[in-house]
Amino acid sequence: GAVVSQHPSWVICKSGTSVKIECRSLDFQATTMFWYRQFPKQSLMLMATSNEGSKATYEQGVEKDKFLINHASLTLSTLTVTSAHPEDSSFYICSARDLSGSAPDTQYFGPGTRLTVL
Amino acid sequence: SQQGEEDPQALSIQEGENATMNCSYKTSINNLQWYRQNSGRGLVHLILIRSNEREKHSGRLRVTLDTSKKSSSLLITASRAADTASYFCATESPSNYKLTFGKGTLLTVNP
Repeated sequence: GAVVSQHPSWVICKSGTSVKIECRSLDFQATTMFWYRQFPKQSLMLMATSNEGSKATYEQGVEKDKFLINHASLTLSTLTVTSAHPEDSSFYICSARDLSGSAPDTQYFGPGTRLTVL
Repeated sequence: SQQGEEDPQALSIQEGENATMNCSYKTSINNLQWYRQNSGRGLVHLILIRSNEREKHSGRLRVTLDTSKKSSSLLITASRAADTASYFCATESPSNYKLTFGKGTLLTVNP
């Protein structure tokens, strides 16, 4: 199946700093990628839909100025957590669909990035 | 409203037994997908069932979908210790392809 990677796999930062997380589709092009957040022992919550070449669309309650999304190419979307605070500590996961592959309905997930804000 | 509510929230069985997890949802769907997540890891796609399908098999997995009851079940047969993980169902919206995840079932398979 299609492969999605994320970098870094984990990051620890000080409160007030910004952190950038990359999501790449390795063997397919993705015009749309999705960003999720998962708190410990909870489910995934969709944060935003990243659209190549246009602005991301954010779910209700997600601050677009805090979670900056850039989808500059068909294989890369980035999520920047600006002025991170301890409550932003979470597991961030991206996903993408390979619309030209054998399973176009399937969303493939990256391995996730664990963010810890001190 | 919460889509994709799984039950049970936790399930503990012995190796070799079958495990059944259920998922209910509230609005119309394009498809329903089941994922597995090992602790602290990403999600692994297990199986997708479309809204016009009723049953699907993949190896030791069997998924059913009842759109009239808005429910799905995931059956893992002849479970193994390596099946220990959290299992999530996710429903895809027909309007925008967004996935909405349930709270998950934590499956523990004891050797």
